[in-house]
Amino acid sequence: KQEVTQIPAALSVPEGENLVLNCSFTDSAIYNLQWFRQDPGKGLTSLLLIQSSQREQTSGRLNASLDKSSGRSTLYIAASQPGDSATYLCAVRGGATNKLIFGTGTLLAVQP
Amino acid sequence: DTAVSQTPKYLVTQMGNDKSIKCEQNLGHDTMYWYKQDSKKFLKIMFSYNNKELIINETVPNRFSPKSPDKAHLNLHINSLELGDSAVYFCASSQPPLAAPYEQYFGPGTRLTVT
Repeated sequence: KQEVTQIPAALSVPEGENLVLNCSFTDSAIYNLQWFRQDPGKGLTSLLLIQSSQREQTSGRLNASLDKSSGRSTLYIAASQPGDSATYLCAVRGGATNKLIFGTGTLLAVQP
Repeated sequence: DTAVSQTPKYLVTQMGNDKSIKCEQNLGHDTMYWYKQDSKKFLKIMFSYNNKELIINETVPNRFSPKSPDKAHLNLHINSLELGDSAVYFCASSQPPLAAPYEQYFGPGTRLTVT
């Protein structure tokens, strides 16, 4: 059974700092991994999608990497801004199904 | 032009009532989903429909009944509501399971409070 864990559960950093969020999964047989952000009281916004054959994806200040063999993904945020404050969720799609298994989330606070 | 929309945004009701949540997507996707986010913010899939056919049905009480009248709509009906049903319910859509790049798009959520 696939389990997805995110570390740390919460993170507070000063503005301008580079930071890394971690996601680990127990079953390496995944189709892809998706990173989302969720603002308080809002829905999920997709940030990056990494296919199982890819090693990384970049969008602006965000870079996500995937190491399937070790069951890990990281989300790197460069030059953090207060507007980056949100909960970040990773989710893996395993096997031939279209089920997304979500991680526990990291609550990020960027202090001005 | 909202991609995935849900109604209502908030729903407050009493135990024992029956309620429905509606979802619509204008992305042309074939596959739609319902997720539940509990009080600890943990998201878990409940159902998935592909082209109006149920393809995922997690261990959900049969008081929950999804219905997909067409590819663009997926509704969730809940009978005999219980306190534990209080949560945020998210609708999502995507291309079919074997179609790349396969990315799920989420609606804004419906916050259900059962009193």
